[in-house]
Amino acid sequence: AQSVTQPDIHITVSEGASLELRCNYSYGATPYLFWYVQSPGQGLQLLLKYFSGDTLVQGIKGFEAEFKRSQSSFNLRKPSVHWSDAAEYFCAVGYSGTYKYIFGTGTRLKVLA
Amino acid sequence: SQTIHQWPATLVQPVGSPLSLECTVEGTSNPNLYWYRQAAGRGLQLLFYSVGIGQISSEVPQNLSASRPQDRQFILSSKKLLLSDSGFYLCAWITTGGRRETQYFGPGTRLLVL
Repeated sequence: AQSVTQPDIHITVSEGASLELRCNYSYGATPYLFWYVQSPGQGLQLLLKYFSGDTLVQGIKGFEAEFKRSQSSFNLRKPSVHWSDAAEYFCAVGYSGTYKYIFGTGTRLKVLA
Repeated sequence: SQTIHQWPATLVQPVGSPLSLECTVEGTSNPNLYWYRQAAGRGLQLLFYSVGIGQISSEVPQNLSASRPQDRQFILSSKKLLLSDSGFYLCAWITTGGRRETQYFGPGTRLLVL
């Protein structure tokens, strides 16, 4: 079965430090890949998406992600974290024509002042 | 631009009572619509999705049901709520007809069953 793994349940970083959140997906046809962010009590906001082409994609709020087919990964990065980045982050995978999306269990980010 | 609405925002219901959550999308036609549940500290569980009026696919057998009476309206219902139905319910949509479907989410409804 197709699956998405976010191995880190919680991550704590200091403000201004770099960040990398990991996401791995199980083998399948070329996937659509997404990162979402969720603040407490809110819906999910799309940060960025990958469909094809350049494997390094830029998103909102200074985030970027890199698709590595050989590693089945789509890790999210930010060079300098701000306190407002504290939230939960979800990786998701979709496949063309299936109309279904698989989500990871999320990574909760805490930012220390 | 497209907008997705959910109501109510928060709901407290006794066990055994009925439930009706509503989701509507504006600014698009013939969207695919989705209901997810997010339990405390857990990821998103797909409950139902719909590719058109009256077309509902159920992903998880349970005491919930969904209906799509209009193109841009998606309703989640229950005849008798259980304690385990508590959670954060999210509606989402994608446009159809193209190859690059991106899922967008509503603000969510927090349900507490007591």
